[in-house]
Amino acid sequence: DAGITQSPRYKITETGRQVTLMCHQTWSHSYMFWYRQDLGHGLRLIYYSAAADITDKGEVPDGYVVSRSKTENFPLTLESATRSQTSVYFCASREITEAFFGQGTRLTVV
Amino acid sequence: GENVEQHPSTLSVQEGDSAVIKCTYSDSASNYFPWYKQELGKRPQLIIDIRSNVGEKKDQRIAVTLNKTAKHFSLHITETQPEDSAVYFCAAVRDNYGQNFVFGPGTRLSVLP
Repeated sequence: DAGITQSPRYKITETGRQVTLMCHQTWSHSYMFWYRQDLGHGLRLIYYSAAADITDKGEVPDGYVVSRSKTENFPLTLESATRSQTSVYFCASREITEAFFGQGTRLTVV
Repeated sequence: GENVEQHPSTLSVQEGDSAVIKCTYSDSASNYFPWYKQELGKRPQLIIDIRSNVGEKKDQRIAVTLNKTAKHFSLHITETQPEDSAVYFCAAVRDNYGQNFVFGPGTRLSVLP
């Protein structure tokens, strides 16, 4: 299916565990983004990527790692999950104008 | 980096009235300003956008105005309907440099029937 998809949709993990959120887009957009959404904070940019093998930090990068070996994939890894990383995570992609969002991943760290 | 402020944080209007949401940005080099609507439990979706070479843009009941000198832009919704109830986010983007797509904190709009 064309578009941008995230997996999993829901994830519960324990404190200290590593977890990876996946993001895949079929448009070959150059730019991809990861946001977290928490009540009272809106959409905060974690990391973004301008192309394969090019990534940069956003507003709240601490505790997260990204990679982009292929244009269509932009996984986000929490190396050692903490309760403060409980959130809804959105991936987005963009070429020239509109940024298209995935459906989101609700992550709970217990 | 860019800092985007958005006001008000919540807004309630009667059906049929107009709603206005305002955003300010800090980076004078930002040149693309989109507005997104997010319904409960759904992903944000673009409703209108404007570039820095344009002062105003309209799409049916929705309009956006931009004041580059003052570094602020506004979303105007006329003849509001219950389905306009959602959270609205503005963003300021410095195209051709980093693509750091930074959003404001959002405005929760409630349209009362």
